[in-house]
Amino acid sequence: TQLLEQSPQFLSIQEGENLTVYCNSSSVFSSLQWYRQEPGEGPVLLVTVVTGGEVKKLKRLTFQFGDARKDSSLHITAAQPGDTGLYLCAGASNNDMRFGAGTRLTVKP
Amino acid sequence: KAGVTQTPRYLIKTRGQQVTLSCSPISGHRSVSWYQQTPGQGLQFLFEYFSETQRNKGNFPGRFSGRQFSNSRSEMNVSTLELGDSALYLCASSHRLDGNIQYFGAGTRLSVL
Repeated sequence: TQLLEQSPQFLSIQEGENLTVYCNSSSVFSSLQWYRQEPGEGPVLLVTVVTGGEVKKLKRLTFQFGDARKDSSLHITAAQPGDTGLYLCAGASNNDMRFGAGTRLTVKP
Repeated sequence: KAGVTQTPRYLIKTRGQQVTLSCSPISGHRSVSWYQQTPGQGLQFLFEYFSETQRNKGNFPGRFSGRQFSNSRSEMNVSTLELGDSALYLCASSHRLDGNIQYFGAGTRLSVL
């Protein structure tokens, strides 16, 4: 059983569409990170959210941390083929870090 | 600042052999964690080392072991390899003072034949 549940597991969309992926847990985290991983590479950190209700924007990506610090969402506006990859969320508590299984996003040109 | 470096990038072994993977963390990072990533299981935590001591351990058999040196470089060893050990092995370093955010290397792709 994953401590962090990510949904959907797979997502295939056309270029220009918007999408949201989710990361949910029953545990409270001191911080939550989102990573993107491309084939054959390690995950690359996109953002860290720390405060409940926090919203961070990174160009076309919007990250939100739930008020209770148990869940998070990642919204991508006008997706591009370069956004294709595995999106992982990771929650930190007591210096432990646990990862979700990821959402595999494919953006078709 | 150089990132996390893992060597080798690719490795092919046969069942029963043993393998050692290496990880050099970001300069100044004293915590190194190892993960196994497979399509079916996702990212699974193996263990974490901090200042040459194992701090946390995941649910893997004793065939998986590791160590950390005084310069924070880390090695991971897998003995008596099984077909199911084929995976991408990722190393991540962190500075515990910044909430233990993990910075990953590119990984070692291990194939067991």
